[in-house]
Amino acid sequence: GAGVSQSPSNKVTEKGKDVELRCDPISGHTALYWYRQSLGQGLEFLIYFQGNSAPDKSGLPSDRFSAERTGGSVSTLTIQRTQQEDSAVYLCASSLTQGGRGEKLFFGSGTQLSVL
Amino acid sequence: GNSVTQMEGPVTLSEEAFLTINCTYTATGYPSLFWYVQYPGEGLQLLLKATKADDKGSNKGFEATYRKETTSFHLEKGSVQVSDSAVYFCALVGTGRRALTFGSGTRLQVQP
Repeated sequence: GAGVSQSPSNKVTEKGKDVELRCDPISGHTALYWYRQSLGQGLEFLIYFQGNSAPDKSGLPSDRFSAERTGGSVSTLTIQRTQQEDSAVYLCASSLTQGGRGEKLFFGSGTQLSVL
Repeated sequence: GNSVTQMEGPVTLSEEAFLTINCTYTATGYPSLFWYVQYPGEGLQLLLKATKADDKGSNKGFEATYRKETTSFHLEKGSVQVSDSAVYFCALVGTGRRALTFGSGTRLQVQP
């Protein structure tokens, strides 16, 4: 497709289980971002990938969260031992170059994660 | 650190009314400022941006002016339509940064 694709669109899991969320960025986009949107909150930055550079992990809330980007394209966000406070919409975005000032981000529709 | 504050919603207006959604920010240096919009069932998309003081971003009848003296980037539209119903997010990216900092979003509901 032409846009950023995320899967699954909805995920319900039990507390303590691990989950993997997938993001397919727009082909050719070198920058990829993960954000989290909790109910009534703004978008919280999680992690940023740019080409082959080391990712900016400064937004990850705990060591239960990790992400990788294989071959400069698809990215997977993994949450281990999920907690109820992890329930949120997880958004992925990509941009053509290195993002930042003036750069347009293209967002996916998100994965709604519910931890019971 | 950087932060963005938006007026709380929902904002409910009748069609053809004037819209203002307030946004103020805190940042060091000279950030770039953005408005993103999320229509029902769709992903966020860029609405407009301004990269330096006094710049005016505009798109689809919406405007916002980068006011450094008041650290504001209020979104305005002279005559809203039902199709403008969405959630609007103000955002900034600081000097030397890559990741956007977003506000909490403001839901706009336009009634016919």
